[in-house]
Parts: sequence; C-alpha cells; structure tokens
Amino acid sequence: DSGVTQTPKHLITATGQRVTLRCSPRSGDLSVYWYQQSLDQGLQFLIHYYNGEERAKGNILERFSAQQFPDLHSELNLSSLELGDSALYFCASSVGEGPVFFGEGSRLTVL
Amino acid sequence: AQSVTQLGSHVSVSEGALVLLRCNYSSSVPPYLFWYVQYPNQGLQLLLKYTSAATLVKGINGFEAEFKKSETSFHLTKPSAHMSDAAEYFCAVSVRDDKIIFGKGTRLHILP
Repeated sequence: DSGVTQTPKHLITATGQRVTLRCSPRSGDLSVYWYQQSLDQGLQFLIHYYNGEERAKGNILERFSAQQFPDLHSELNLSSLELGDSALYFCASSVGEGPVFFGEGSRLTVL
Repeated sequence: AQSVTQLGSHVSVSEGALVLLRCNYSSSVPPYLFWYVQYPNQGLQLLLKYTSAATLVKGINGFEAEFKKSETSFHLTKPSAHMSDAAEYFCAVSVRDDKIIFGKGTRLHILP
C-alpha cells in the first residue's frame, strides 16, 4: 500500500460527459502529480501541484483541469470527454522530490 | 528537451540469471534519472533515483543502476532474477523533479 488513494477505481461514461477523479496523497506529502497511461501514448505527465500551487504542466489538454485543495487532496476534471480519453489516470505524491508514491489509478472508459 | 529510450519492449531471463534492462537518455543539462516498476493492476513504485551523487545507485529489491554520462545510459541490473521480478519497468528522466518524462517501458518475463 503506497498510501496514495485514488477514487473511483473504475469509471465508465459517455462521450461529451464530464468526470472528476480524486487523489488523496500520502500523509505529509505536499506534491501531487497526475499522469495518464494509455497503450499508445504510454505514461504522459499531465500536471504537478505543490502545496496548492501549480508547479508544472505537461501534455494536459485544455478540456482537462486540476486543482489541489488546502487539505492537499487533488482533483482532476476531465470534460467534453472523447473516446481517446479512455486511459488509466495515476496520481502520485511525494514531499517534493519527484513522484515517489503512486496510487493504483482510476481507469476511465469513454463509450 | 529531455527524452528517454528503453531498448526492448519485452525482455525474458531465466530465474537466477542476470537482469539487464537498458535505458538511454537525452538531456541538454545534467539530468535526474529514475527507474520505476509496475506490477499488474497496480501503480508505479520507485525503484531508485540518480541525482548526480554516486554514479552507482542502489535501489530496492536488489536492483541497481549505473549512470554513465559518456554513454548517456542508465541501465538497470539485478544479479539474480526472481519470479517476483516479473513486471513492467519504466526509466524516466527529468531536469527538474516536477516534470518527469517516462520511457515506453520494458516488460520483464522470468522463465522458470
């Protein structure tokens, strides 16, 4: 158990819909990272938050947004979903030295 | 921009044999380098990390990796493979800890 909790574990939705993925980092970890993993793209860095502030953005689409709340949990919002957004979304946390502890992921299926 | 190339999407070794997973990186400045392991239906787990201290980095589960600047490589090794090492392994590079670029992964198969 990494200590990083992601919900939901599985999510099935339709194109055009909006979903929210939630991540609770390990106790004491200030950094939260979001990654998308798909068969064709591999692991893609989306965004990094540190203590509530955005630190870096990767290949995150404009339809996607994220935030980190004062209690350090983070949410990744995916809107106007397309078939190609089907993937495994990972959250990772650390005290700030790069993603160390990963959650088990949220598997999103867009039909 | 940084990038990382993992040679071989699948590697098979016999139980007890040497494990060697290859990773080459590209970076215009001294990089941080990482190896992660992903077991089926699980998230990634950090095996080890190079941050410009010792060039030979020891990680968990008996793995180690050596940073070779002249070869731009960071290969992962383990002297003796165990069945429980079967997993997917990812090499990653960063010049800042907040934006880590992953390779496409190498699936390690252990033959009995």
